[in-house]
Amino acid sequence: LAKTTQPISMDSYEGQEVNITCSHNNIATNDYITWYQQFPSQGPRFIIQGYKTKVTNEVASLFIPADRKSSTLSLPRVSLSDTAVYYCLVTDSSASKIIFGSGTRLSIRP
Amino acid sequence: DAGVTQSPTHLIKTRGQQVTLRCSPISGHKSVSWYQQVLGQGPQFIFQYYEKEERGRGNFPDRFSARQFPNYSSELNVNALLLGDSALYLCASSLQAGGPNEQFFGPGTRLTVL
Repeated sequence: LAKTTQPISMDSYEGQEVNITCSHNNIATNDYITWYQQFPSQGPRFIIQGYKTKVTNEVASLFIPADRKSSTLSLPRVSLSDTAVYYCLVTDSSASKIIFGSGTRLSIRP
Repeated sequence: DAGVTQSPTHLIKTRGQQVTLRCSPISGHKSVSWYQQVLGQGPQFIFQYYEKEERGRGNFPDRFSARQFPNYSSELNVNALLLGDSALYLCASSLQAGGPNEQFFGPGTRLTVL
């Protein structure tokens, strides 16, 4: 299963757009890319999932280039409540093994 | 709507003891996965069960075992507890195993081993 690499931490300000990039150089053909958000002492919460190109939902967008070796989570107009750890995962179709990386600790300032 | 529930919320044990953690998935979900999250790290995959069968196993010793019941609830058992087993244990449920599949996590059980 492909290993993921993300920045350890990022800082931004309220109202800004935040982009978090994840590298997954060894992604396989059947792998999907998923992002989760986690607040302290809570379980992770699903944000978005994609296979290729661009996926958008009500909270975020996910950009995946043609080679699929990286992906970028885009959070539009962040607020203080977006301060959390964000995890990028690569999961295969069987999901027999799911690997979370160390995550990106995002801090939003007023 | 009821989400994933886990019990107990907190647990304190001593080295060498055994512990059983419980998880009830969202209604209709047939897959349950277990994760261990040590403070400051990402969740580490322990097991996945689907339709009462083990579908995946992470790199954990045989002291860790799990099962899924006919109602799709699940138990995680850890024998001969070590100090290093202190962690937040997360359960996640999903409709199916694998594929484009959203996992819904419970609040976790905080296990402290003294």
